[in-house]
Amino acid sequence: DTAVSQTPKYLVTQMGNDKSIKCEQNLGHDTMYWYKQDSKKFLKIMFSYNNKELIINETVPNRFSPKSPDKAHLNLHINSLELGDSAVYFCASSQDRLAFGELFFGEGSRLTVL
Amino acid sequence: DQQVKQNSPSLSVQEGRISILNCDYTNSMFDYFLWYKKYPAEGPTFLISISSIKDKNEDGRFTVFLNKSAKHLSLHIVPSQPGDSAVYFCAATGGSQGNLIFGKGTKLSVKP
Repeated sequence: DTAVSQTPKYLVTQMGNDKSIKCEQNLGHDTMYWYKQDSKKFLKIMFSYNNKELIINETVPNRFSPKSPDKAHLNLHINSLELGDSAVYFCASSQDRLAFGELFFGEGSRLTVL
Repeated sequence: DQQVKQNSPSLSVQEGRISILNCDYTNSMFDYFLWYKKYPAEGPTFLISISSIKDKNEDGRFTVFLNKSAKHLSLHIVPSQPGDSAVYFCAATGGSQGNLIFGKGTKLSVKP
C-alpha cells in the first residue's frame, strides 16, 4: 500500500502544453505539499494545503495552480509549460502543519519539457 | 540564499566504517532539524530528527549531533552498510518558516 502516490511518474511534453500531476495520500494526514527538485538538486517547496486550504504559496509563476478537492488529494496543474519547468515534482504529506512532524513523500514525477 | 548548506556533494566510505555527513545552517531561528534519505527513483524518507533543546539524538546506527553555537549538525552512521548508499538531505524549520528548508543533499556511497 503506497502511502503517498503520484501520477504520472514520467511526463514528456512540448513547450506551451498544459499538464497535470495528481497526488493522493492514504495516511489520513491534514497537510499536503508540492516540492520541486530542479537540476541543481534543491528541494524547494511550492505549495502547501491544510485541510483543503492553501497555507503556503511560495514565489511560483501563476502558470502553476494547485487544487485540493479534499484533504487526501492535491493536484498540480501547469499551464503553458516552459523549458525551465523540467524538474522532478514531489508530493508530500504531514500529519499537521509541520510543527514537529516529518513529511511523507511520494516517488516523484519527472517532467521533461522539450 | 541557501539557509541550509551541505557542502559535500558526495562521500565514499568503506563498509563497517563510520559515515559522517555534515550540514550547516544560517538562520538562528531554526529549532528543529531532520535528515532524510533518498534512493534513486524514490521520494525522500524521514530518517532522524533533533530539536534545538538537545545536542544529540540516537536511533540504532544513526546519531545526529547538533552544535547550536556553530549552527552545525552532523549525521553519523556506524557501522556503515552498502544499503546505506543513498542521497542524504538535511532539513530545518522554525521561527517564521512554515515549512522545511532542505539542503542540496550529500550522496553517500558505502563500498563493500
